[in-house]
Amino acid sequence: GDSVTQMEGPVTLSEEAFLTINCTYTATGYPSLFWYVQYPGEGLQLLLKATKADDKGSNKGFEATYRKETTSFHLEKGSVQVSDSAVYFCALSVTGGGSNYKLTFGKGTLLTVNP
Amino acid sequence: SQTIHQWPATLVQPVGSPLSLECTVEGTSNPNLYWYRQAAGRGLQLLFYSVGIGQISSEVPQNLSASRPQDRQFILSSKKLLLSDSGFYLCAWSYTGVGGYTFGSGTRLTVV
Repeated sequence: GDSVTQMEGPVTLSEEAFLTINCTYTATGYPSLFWYVQYPGEGLQLLLKATKADDKGSNKGFEATYRKETTSFHLEKGSVQVSDSAVYFCALSVTGGGSNYKLTFGKGTLLTVNP
Repeated sequence: SQTIHQWPATLVQPVGSPLSLECTVEGTSNPNLYWYRQAAGRGLQLLFYSVGIGQISSEVPQNLSASRPQDRQFILSSKKLLLSDSGFYLCAWSYTGVGGYTFGSGTRLTVV
């Protein structure tokens, strides 16, 4: 079946530090890949996505590149801010084949950024 | 534009009581609809999904049920709540997997 593995953390960084959250996946078909962010007490928001190999998703200074050869979609940001403190989820969706577009999530990574 | 509404935001219910959580989508038609639960520890578990009115697929056997009485309405129910039903419940909609999901703001359920 489909699965997503991401570093569970927690990750604690100082403001302006470089962030990497690793994410790897296994999929039965050709997946689309996503990063979602969940701020305290809120629902999930789509942060960025990539739908085919070598695509780079980007938003709010975050980036992730779809690497089919390594089945990875690592999240990066060059300089984190306190407001980036949240839980980050990597996810995949396999289109077609009767999957009904179900999203498979990783377990989430809690990021805390200190001033 | 499309919006998704979920209510109530928080709920405290005694063990053995019934449950009804409602989710509605505006600005779109015939979406795929989903219920997820996020228990302590942050993991997300898909509970139910629906591809059309009256069509419900269950991912995990449990104390809960779902219904879709109208195209843009998705309801999560229980006849008798258990302590283990506590968690953060999220509704979401999607057209295709390529675009990802749009989530509601969630309902925090505490069973006491």
